[in-house]
Amino acid sequence: ETGVTQSPTHLIKTRGQQVTLRCSSQSGHNTVSWYQQALGQGPQFIFQYYREEENGRGNFPPRFSGLQFPNYSSELNVNALELDDSALYLCASSGGTGELFFGEGSRLTVL
Amino acid sequence: GEDVEQSLFLSVREGDSSVINCTYTDSSSTYLYWYKQEPGAGLQLLTYIFSNMDMKQDQRLTVLLNKKDKHLSLRIADTQTGDSAIYFCAETLPYNNNDMRFGAGTRLTVKP
Repeated sequence: ETGVTQSPTHLIKTRGQQVTLRCSSQSGHNTVSWYQQALGQGPQFIFQYYREEENGRGNFPPRFSGLQFPNYSSELNVNALELDDSALYLCASSGGTGELFFGEGSRLTVL
Repeated sequence: GEDVEQSLFLSVREGDSSVINCTYTDSSSTYLYWYKQEPGAGLQLLTYIFSNMDMKQDQRLTVLLNKKDKHLSLRIADTQTGDSAIYFCAETLPYNNNDMRFGAGTRLTVKP
């Protein structure tokens, strides 16, 4: 059974650019959640996808968008990057129990 | 308050007990969680407690829940150097089970 994997692990972008982060969910999990963790802070809920549909969203602007694919993998897209978007982006998958299994994250630096 | 609150730092000696405290936001929260994050890693679920319980024990871990005060604690018995990490308290909000709200984390340092 493979765990949650995320790519890339690190990346650097400049203000105004766009970024796509990817997540492969744990085998058998149909729900993927994305979180933003700023330095020294706890994770903040961005949104969740269940069977390819957005199933809840936190307090993030529309330039944060996502997709879930038929194999339940997911992408997080962020447009018009701002300096404050620098953070660790965590993906978590869950199955029927509701327990979240986190990946190791993608660390985004915006210059 | 609107934030899940935790002390930022805790330092203990190896072999002592550690107690990490948390105040959560909503007395109707259904599940409360403790996660561990080691440097450069994602979050690992340590334990959770359902809101109709007031205590849960799992090996060296004991979770206490005081719903009246919205207070959650995690006690780690016989703390080891490998327990050094950041510990996050989290709640699942009753009106949106998809939104898990985390505290800022408590950095536990275990000294030999």
